[in-house]
Amino acid sequence: KNEVEQSPQNLTAQEGEFITINCSYSVGISALHWLQQHPGGGIVSLFMLSSGKKKHGRLIATINIQEKHSSLHITASHPRDSAVYICAAFMDSNYQLIWGAGTKLIIKP
Amino acid sequence: DAMVIQNPRYQVTQFGKPVTLSCSQTLNHNVMYWYQQKSSQAPKLLFHYYDKDFNNEADTPDNFQSRRPNTSFCFLDIRSPGLGDAAMYLCATSTKETQYFGPGTRLLVL
Repeated sequence: KNEVEQSPQNLTAQEGEFITINCSYSVGISALHWLQQHPGGGIVSLFMLSSGKKKHGRLIATINIQEKHSSLHITASHPRDSAVYICAAFMDSNYQLIWGAGTKLIIKP
Repeated sequence: DAMVIQNPRYQVTQFGKPVTLSCSQTLNHNVMYWYQQKSSQAPKLLFHYYDKDFNNEADTPDNFQSRRPNTSFCFLDIRSPGLGDAAMYLCATSTKETQYFGPGTRLLVL
């Protein structure tokens, strides 16, 4: 069993839909990162969460430390949101990330 | 402004011919990483540095070496590239708050 699990693995939705991607982890972490990777592109850090909720534009990330669960939400989704979204657990004991497998999101116009 | 810079963006090499990938950062971060990412997979950590303290992942092949001559620069040397080493190589830096990734170097081995 992977230490960081994401679901769904693939998600296709219509433009405008509300999107939720889930992440569960089984390790003790310092923080949880949500990252975005466009096809053929580099990786961009969207959020780093250690508690509660963060919002940036149409993106919202939440984390429940007790349940070891985090969610990434996209409101009013747009085709340019199509990308792979990855959650990764950060361990500040060794500065390493434990990566989820990623969720491939496609937003159709 | 680019904060983590990787050169070149695309590198073609021949089977067995040594190749060096470069990374530089303008952030003055202590921690730097090299990842290998193959198609449709999550990045795989090869090494990371905390300052000059080098940390090699147990399953990183001996074929892969790294150098960090100063805080700003880090190099990945592949001594004898095989066809299986064709991948995207990502450099990253880190604080406790966030991660910064370079655009990657896509390596093609002929």
